[in-house]
Amino acid sequence: GAVVSQHPSRVICKSGTSVKIECRSLDFQATTMFWYRQFPKQSLMLMATSNEGSKATYEQGVEKDKFLINHASLTLSTLTVTSAHPEDSSFYICSARGTGTGGDGNTIYFGEGSWLTVV
Amino acid sequence: GQQLNQSPQSMFIQEGEDVSMNCTSSSIFNTWLWYKQDPGEGPVLLIALYKAGELTSNGRLTAQFGITRKDSFLNISASIPSDVGIYFCAGLWQGAQKLVFGQGTRLTINP
Repeated sequence: GAVVSQHPSRVICKSGTSVKIECRSLDFQATTMFWYRQFPKQSLMLMATSNEGSKATYEQGVEKDKFLINHASLTLSTLTVTSAHPEDSSFYICSARGTGTGGDGNTIYFGEGSWLTVV
Repeated sequence: GQQLNQSPQSMFIQEGEDVSMNCTSSSIFNTWLWYKQDPGEGPVLLIALYKAGELTSNGRLTAQFGITRKDSFLNISASIPSDVGIYFCAGLWQGAQKLVFGQGTRLTINP
C-alpha cells in the first residue's frame, strides 16, 4: 500500500513557541491531505483539509491562525502549531488521498502520527 | 461532526474466536475503508471497498460493502493476540473529500 510519513513522531516544545509537523506521501502524489487531532480513547477529529497549491479548509472551531497548514507540493503538507499552549498537547495525524482515478483515488492513507507535548 | 454508527464499541474475546463488527449510516457511501489503530500510532488501512456488494479479504480479515451502500462489516477469523487494537470504519460519499469515521471498536483478546 501507499506510504505516508510524518515527522517528527514526538516533539516537546515550550509554551509560546511554534512547532512544525511534516506529512509526506512517499510513493504517490497526494492532491489532498488531511490533518486530524486525536484525544485519548476517541476517534479522529478532522482539523483541516489541504489541497496542493491552495488555502486549507478548516473545520468549524479550528483556529486557522493557530494551526497553519501549507501544502506546497503534491508530496508534502505541513502543520505549524503557533504560540503553542499546554492544551495543544495531543496526537496529530495526517492522511493523504491519491490522485488516481477510480478506486485508488478514493483510498486515504494515514501517517504514523505525531505526539506533541507543550510544557 | 458527522459520524458513522459503529458497533460494538468494545469486545472482549478469547484467542481463536471470530470477531464481527459493523458500521451503519443514514447516508449512501461510495467507498468504505476499514482501519486498525495500535496505541500511539496512526491508523493502518486494512481493507478498502469501492462497490456495493463487494466482499474483500485480507488474510484473516473479510469486509463487505453493503448492498444498500449504507453499511459495511468487518470480520476477523481465528483471532490472535496481535489483533488487539482499535478498529475504525470510515466512509466517503459521492463527491466528498472528507472521510467520515465510526467511533471505533476496541478489541481485547484474552489469551
